[in-house]
Amino acid sequence: NAGVMQNPRHLVRRRGQEARLRCSPMKGHSHVYWYRQLPEEGLKFMVYLQKENIIDESGMPKERFSAEFPKEGPSILRIQQVVRGDSAAYFCASSPQDRDDTEAFFGQGTRLTVV
Amino acid sequence: SQQGEEDPQALSIQEGENATMNCSYKTSINNLQWYRQNSGRGLVHLILIRSNEREKHSGRLRVTLDTSKKSSSLLITASRAADTASYFCAVVSGSARQLTFGSGTQLTVLP
Repeated sequence: NAGVMQNPRHLVRRRGQEARLRCSPMKGHSHVYWYRQLPEEGLKFMVYLQKENIIDESGMPKERFSAEFPKEGPSILRIQQVVRGDSAAYFCASSPQDRDDTEAFFGQGTRLTVV
Repeated sequence: SQQGEEDPQALSIQEGENATMNCSYKTSINNLQWYRQNSGRGLVHLILIRSNEREKHSGRLRVTLDTSKKSSSLLITASRAADTASYFCAVVSGSARQLTFGSGTQLTVLP
């Protein structure tokens, strides 16, 4: 059973380009969370999705950022018109059910560098 | 807003010693979890303690929770060089399902 798969592991974008980060949850998991981690800091929640639904996007910046988790395929975090401040590690986590005491399984992250 | 805050920010010990890390949070919680992150890698879940629990053990790990003080501690006994990593506490509160992380403790275990 493969773990949470994120790709790419490293992504370099020029200012103004679009960044697409993909996350395939563990098999059987239908709940996906995206977090962002700046250097030397903890993870900050961005968005919580279930299949075809955004459940909580309270941590998402109001502009340029969007996320989806379609019925088929991976979850996508999209950042339009990237700026240098978007440079960070983006982690995806999945869980099998909608419970608050469920362990979250994390991917290895995508390190986005905006040049 | 930041919930969990770890203390100390960095800790350096000799192999075989015990390591204690503390976490404080601000609001009432459903549960508190500890995660480990090796440099440049994803997070690995270590242990979960519910708000009605006071202590849990898992192998060389011991976690305590004091809801009256809104604090938790993680004790790693008989540390090994392989325990070198960043350790984060994270809380789940209210109806939310996501984790709110602290800023972490960087543990270095010297061989």
